Amino acid sequence: DTEVTQTPKHLVMGMTNKKSLKCEQHMGHRAMYWYKQKAKKPPELMFVYSYEKLSINESVPSRFSPECPNSSLLNLHLHALQPEDSALYLCASSQAGLARRETQYFGPGTRLLVL
Amino acid sequence: QKEVEQNSGPLSVPEGAIASLNCTYSDRGSQSFFWYRQYSGKSPELIMSIYSNGDKEDGRFTAQLNKASQYVSLLIRDSQPSDSATYLCAVIGGATNKLIFGTGTLLAVQP
Repeated sequence: DTEVTQTPKHLVMGMTNKKSLKCEQHMGHRAMYWYKQKAKKPPELMFVYSYEKLSINESVPSRFSPECPNSSLLNLHLHALQPEDSALYLCASSQAGLARRETQYFGPGTRLLVL
Repeated sequence: QKEVEQNSGPLSVPEGAIASLNCTYSDRGSQSFFWYRQYSGKSPELIMSIYSNGDKEDGRFTAQLNKASQYVSLLIRDSQPSDSATYLCAVIGGATNKLIFGTGTLLAVQP
């Protein structure tokens, strides 16, 4: 089973709203990732959690706040977003994180629209 | 120079033909190479991973790796209209171990 789930599938929010994206995996993976993907562009890495600790923050603005409550769950808290933050947000997981032969498996994504 | 380069396409092939997708990478320390398929509006789906020089076959898909030339390719035999998608080449960088994506090649299989 290589399933990563994400909720919600779609989200529309105003610039003053606070919302959260959720990601879950039950593959026993210890690394989880957030990516942002704009139309016709490849995914861009935002954050990496390895063994529930934040190991990489790719200089993401503080209006994005990740949280890893346990090894199966990953959240992305959103606050005061801008319209240019509208994108597909992808969660991925892998066995341990940033190892040379690790395969990342992606969830279905959350399509975010900021008005 | 981009870290992972792909021709953006579109690559148009007739149904039943072989589609050949190419990718070059700049980091000689890279050791892991992946092909993901992404349908419009959907998330990337892993098709193949390859770590050693040579060919790796899985059904209609064959990945080819040449580390000396820093080149990785994906062949799709007997292409079907359902193969029409963007194919993303991704490489785990030798220095950072991050997954670096190319910009993707759009494949269109014509019925």
